[in-house]
Order: sequence, then C-alpha cells, then structure tokens
Amino acid sequence: AQSVTQLGSHVSVSEGALVLLRCNYSSSVPPYLFWYVQYPNQGLQLLLKYTSAATLVKGINGFEAEFKKSETSFHLTKPSAHMSDAAEYFCAVSPPNQAGTALIFGKGTTLSVSS
Amino acid sequence: DAGVTQSPTHLIKTRGQQVTLRCSPKSGHDTVSWYQQALGQGPQFIFQYYEEEERQRGNFPDRFSGHQFPNYSSELNVNALLLGDSALYLCASSLGQQPQHFGDGTRLSIL
Repeated sequence: AQSVTQLGSHVSVSEGALVLLRCNYSSSVPPYLFWYVQYPNQGLQLLLKYTSAATLVKGINGFEAEFKKSETSFHLTKPSAHMSDAAEYFCAVSPPNQAGTALIFGKGTTLSVSS
Repeated sequence: DAGVTQSPTHLIKTRGQQVTLRCSPKSGHDTVSWYQQALGQGPQFIFQYYEEEERQRGNFPDRFSGHQFPNYSSELNVNALLLGDSALYLCASSLGQQPQHFGDGTRLSIL
C-alpha cells in the first residue's frame, strides 16, 4: 500500500530564507507525486506534480521539487520565502499512470513566514 | 472559466440527521472525487464517480453515499451523522490522467 510521510508538522522561516518541506513516500513502484497548498478557509491548489518525466519539477510561485528514487523523497523547496507563502502544504501520491484516481495525502506541514 | 464549485459553504447539523453536499466540476472535467479533511489532518479519499458510477471507494462506512448526474455534477450524502463526521468536505474534479482540481469545500459541523 502507498503512503506519504511529511516530516515536520510546522516549519518556520524568515522572509527571504530558503523553504524546505520534506516528503517521503512508500510505494512498491515509483508513483505519481504532488504538492498542494491550502490557504485558510480555501481548498487545495496544485503547486506541482511529478509524473515520471523530469525528476526536477518546477511549479507555480517559485516552488520546485526533486524526485529522488533512491531516497523515496519528493521534497519541496523555494529559494526565497515570501510572506504570502504562509499556508498549509500537503504532499500526495497516486499510483503511476493514474493521476486522476484516489490521492493519498500526508498530514500536512504548516509553513510560517516571519518578517 | 469556473473552477470546482461546492455548496453550501457551511452547514450545521445535529447527530442522527442526514446531509447532502453538492459539487459542480470544473468545465470539461468528467470525474468527481470526494475527500474528508478533519481538523489538522490531510484529506482522506471517500469515493470517486465517473460515468455516473462509483469507480473507487476509500475506507468509509456505507453511511457515506454519492451520486453523479449526467452533467457530471455530484452529491455526497451522509446518513445518521456522528460527531466525528465534523470536517471539511472537499470535492475534486479531473479529466483522464490530469491532476485533480479542488473546490473550496463545505465545512460541516455536527452538534
């Protein structure tokens, strides 16, 4: 069975600092991987996705993530945090070639950005 | 281009009641999935509808049921509400192997 683990339920950074949110997956075969962001009182917005093409994936708002099969990881990074990045971030996995089926989510990481 | 829309935005019910939540998918999408997000948790998959049939189901009791209409819109029904059903219910739509797009959810509170 597939699962996702997000290390660190809360990450705090200063404005302009590097953002690193960690995600590890468990799957018998390399899955499809996603990062979603959720702002207060809103639904989830797709930041980026890995679907077995390039291992370094660029998303919206300056975020990117690298798929590392050897480490079963898909960490999310952004070189310079902005106040507007404060939100809840979820890593999710689906079986390969089934991006439209059930997503399995991690428990989320709350990102706080201070000035 | 309207995204995924859900109604109502908030709902308060009492234990034992029944509730119906509604979802209109993003234009061009034909598949609707429902998720339950408890406070402080990640969303959990309830079920998915495609071509008016339940195609996939998560680990939720039969009290949770759904329907998809010919125009691809969908309803989520929950019977015999429990306090533990209090959550944000998210609808997501998709087309084929494209990623799912989420609505803003319905906040359900059970008293």
